[in-house]
Amino acid sequence: AQTVTQSQPEMSVQEAETVTLSCTYDTSESDYYLFWYKQPPSRQMILVIRQEAYKQQNATENRFSVNFQKAAKSFSLKISDSQLGDAAMYFCAYITGNTPLVFGKGTRLSVIA
Amino acid sequence: EPEVTQTPSHQVTQMGQEVILRCVPISNHLYFYWYRQILGQKVEFLVSFYNNEISEKSEIFDDQFSVERPDGSNFTLKIRSTKLEDSAMYFCASSILPLAGADGNTGELFFGEGSRLTVL
Repeated sequence: AQTVTQSQPEMSVQEAETVTLSCTYDTSESDYYLFWYKQPPSRQMILVIRQEAYKQQNATENRFSVNFQKAAKSFSLKISDSQLGDAAMYFCAYITGNTPLVFGKGTRLSVIA
Repeated sequence: EPEVTQTPSHQVTQMGQEVILRCVPISNHLYFYWYRQILGQKVEFLVSFYNNEISEKSEIFDDQFSVERPDGSNFTLKIRSTKLEDSAMYFCASSILPLAGADGNTGELFFGEGSRLTVL
């Protein structure tokens, strides 16, 4: 069964600092997609960043970047220059053509002013 | 900016009662999904819907659950006889493309804010 593991239930970061959220996944597929979603308090989940497994280059979106290690099945999210608005629940997720989107349990990120 | 809307935001019901959760996906989207999140647990896939039929469902989505797109805009999740363990946050989502397209084109999933169901 495909699983996604987020080993950090909670993280905190000082404003303007950098934080890395970890995610590992388990799959036997070679083609798949990985995502990080952000869920602010009482708001809907929004897509932060997406990575195609066939691409070696790590995806970046402004202050958000990933470290994708395919062999290690690791997909960590780095948030640079953290802002108060980054405080949220962050979910790592994975999908293949044969499976629905599978989420991890999430990491709650607090940003300290 | 278009968004997925869900109603009600919170529903409290008695065990054994029927519940309908409603969703209005983004208007030009073609793929529709329901997920749920039991408090403190991971977000779990329930069902996906495309071209007016279920395309995939999970083990959770048993005979007590059904989905419908009755009028081309709403996308509903019905639970016929609720159980205590159905208490969860239910998220509707939609996308214009499949999430893992065979041609490499992938859709972005847009979520609603969720409907919290409490079964007493």
